[in-house]
Amino acid sequence: AQKVTQAQTEISVVEKEDVTLDCVYETRDTTYYLFWYKQPPSGELVFLIRRNSFDEQNEISGRYSWNFQKSTSSFNFTITASQVVDSAVYFCALRLFETSYDKVIFGPGTSLSVIP
Amino acid sequence: ETGVTQTPRHLVMGMTNKKSLKCEQHLGHNAMYWYKQSAKKPLELMFVYSLEERVENNSVPSRFSPECPNSSHLFLHLHTLQPEDSALYLCASSQAEGTGPYEQYFGPGTRLTVT
Repeated sequence: AQKVTQAQTEISVVEKEDVTLDCVYETRDTTYYLFWYKQPPSGELVFLIRRNSFDEQNEISGRYSWNFQKSTSSFNFTITASQVVDSAVYFCALRLFETSYDKVIFGPGTSLSVIP
Repeated sequence: ETGVTQTPRHLVMGMTNKKSLKCEQHLGHNAMYWYKQSAKKPLELMFVYSLEERVENNSVPSRFSPECPNSSHLFLHLHTLQPEDSALYLCASSQAEGTGPYEQYFGPGTRLTVT
């Protein structure tokens, strides 16, 4: 079965703390893509990163970093020195290759609250 | 306008009303999607249009009727809805061809309340 699990439903941190959002996925495919999206209170999902299954290099973009480990089927997202503007719901997603279009399975999301 | 726009942003309708949600993308994409986001539930894919053809209808009740007149516009026609249809309806677009897959770009959503 194709599935994305985000076990943390809600997380609260104090500003400037580091926080890691967990994502575990299930797929039988050897080729797949993973995504992270951010949904601020305004409602619009904002694309953050895409990673394919052949690229296990970790990525850093400013205060954001991603740790992809195929051995544990995880694609975790870390925010360093969190800020109030990071408060949002974060979704991890898995792209299936069974269709010609971008069929994506989203995880249930993790709601992050950064307290000033 | 840039990105993906949706109108209206908020809609309240009675169960006997007929209304339409509109989505427009200004990104040159050729695949468009409707998602439903209910409280405490994962994002649910409703419909997909790729190159203006409907390629996915994810067991959505017939009271929801999509329309894609061209690659830039997507509509969701609503009629005789139920209170449980109250949700945030999100539109997204992506590239359907090439060396993808590609990430989807989302609109701000329409917050629908059915009374």
